[in-house]
Amino acid sequence: DSGVTQTPKHLITATGQRVTLRCSPRSGDLSVYWYQQSLDQGLQFLIQYYNGEERAKGNILERFSAQQFPDLHSELNLSSLELGDSALYFCASSDRHEQYFGPGTRLTVT
Amino acid sequence: AQKITQTQPGMFVQEKEAVTLDCTYDTSDQSYGLFWYKQPSSGEMIFLIYQGSYDEQNATEGRYSLNFQKARKSANLVISASQLGDSAMYFCAMRIQGAQKLVFGQGTRLTINP
Repeated sequence: DSGVTQTPKHLITATGQRVTLRCSPRSGDLSVYWYQQSLDQGLQFLIQYYNGEERAKGNILERFSAQQFPDLHSELNLSSLELGDSALYFCASSDRHEQYFGPGTRLTVT
Repeated sequence: AQKITQTQPGMFVQEKEAVTLDCTYDTSDQSYGLFWYKQPSSGEMIFLIYQGSYDEQNATEGRYSLNFQKARKSANLVISASQLGDSAMYFCAMRIQGAQKLVFGQGTRLTINP
């Protein structure tokens, strides 16, 4: 158990809908990262937050947004969902070097 | 841009044998970190081992060791005395200094045969 929690574990929704994925980092970690894992793109970095502020942005679509709250949990919002958004979404939080991943949320868009 | 290459899509190894998973990386930065993660069929990403670019000794964590050859830009993972539970996807990743994101390779699927 990495200490990073993610909910829900699975999510099935229809095209055009909006979903919110939630992540709680390990106790004491200020940074939260979001990654997307899909069959065609592999593991890709989406966005990082540090202590409530956006720190780095990767290949995140404009339809996606994220935020980190004062209690350090983070949410990833995905809107106008398309079939191609089906993927495993990971949240990670970091120690000095290592990033510890949560169990992931498997999103299926039908 | 940073890039990680894992040239072995799949590997099959007998139980109790040692196995080496290859990873080469490309970066012009002098300060960076290299990581290996394990992803079993259940899907979670498990951190295995870390090597800093300035570390003089190869990193070891239990049965895992990282064979770091800086001049060749390689960071191979060595698993000694493989076990059935080692069957999984293995990802090599890199992070350059100042950039927090991890860049991942495509992964190697390791299967341990009894």
